[in-house]
Amino acid sequence: GAVVSQHPSWVICKSGTSVKIECRSLDFQATTMFWYRQFPKQSLMLMATSNEGSKATYEQGVEKDKFLINHASLTLSTLTVTSAHPEDSSFYICSAPRAGAQETQYFGPGTRLLVL
Amino acid sequence: GNSVTQMEGPVTLSEEAFLTINCTYTATGYPSLFWYVQYPGEGLQLLLKATKADDKGSNKGFEATYRKETTSFHLEKGSVQVSDSAVYFCALTSRNSGGSNYKLTFGKGTLLTVNP
Repeated sequence: GAVVSQHPSWVICKSGTSVKIECRSLDFQATTMFWYRQFPKQSLMLMATSNEGSKATYEQGVEKDKFLINHASLTLSTLTVTSAHPEDSSFYICSAPRAGAQETQYFGPGTRLLVL
Repeated sequence: GNSVTQMEGPVTLSEEAFLTINCTYTATGYPSLFWYVQYPGEGLQLLLKATKADDKGSNKGFEATYRKETTSFHLEKGSVQVSDSAVYFCALTSRNSGGSNYKLTFGKGTLLTVNP
C-alpha cells in the first residue's frame, strides 16, 4: 500500500524558534498534500492544502505567515512553524491522496511538537 | 458547511463483544463516507469507505452502511478483539470549489479499548 512518512516524529524547541516538518510520499507521487493539526482528544483539523508548483491553500483562521508550506517536489511537502510559541504545541499530521484514487488519503504517522 | 458527529468515547468492551460506533453527518451534495483507524503510536489508516447511498463498506470484520435517509454511517463489528483497540474516526469528503481536490472532514474520534 501507499506509504507516507513524516520527519521528525517528535520535536521539542524553545519559544521563538522555527521548526520544519517534512512529509514524504515514499512510493507514489502526490501533487497535493494536506496538513492537519490534532489536539488531545480532538479531531483532526485541516490547516492547509499543499499544492506542487503553486501556493498552498489555507483554511480559514490559519495564519499563512505562521505556518509556511512548501511543496518542493512531487514527493515532498514541508510545514515550517515560524516563531513557535507554546500554543503551537500539537500533533501535526500530513496526508496525500494517490493519483487515480483521489478520495482516499494516506496519512503520515504524525509529528508531535512541544514548544517550551 | 460539512460536519461529522460521532459518539463520544471512550468505549470499553470485552473480547468477542459486539461493537457499534455511531456516526452521523451533515453535508451538501453527495459525500463519500469513511472510517479511519489510528492504532497507538501510528498514523491514520483507512478502514473502510462507501461512496454512495446504500453502499456497505467492509474490512477486517468491520462494516458500515451509507444511509442517506438518516445521514448515518455507523461502524459495527460482531466480535471485537484486543487488537482492535484504537481510535476510530468517521469522516467524509467533499470537493473543493475548484473541483480538483477532496477535503476530509473528521469526527472527533472514539477511543475503543478491548479487554481480554
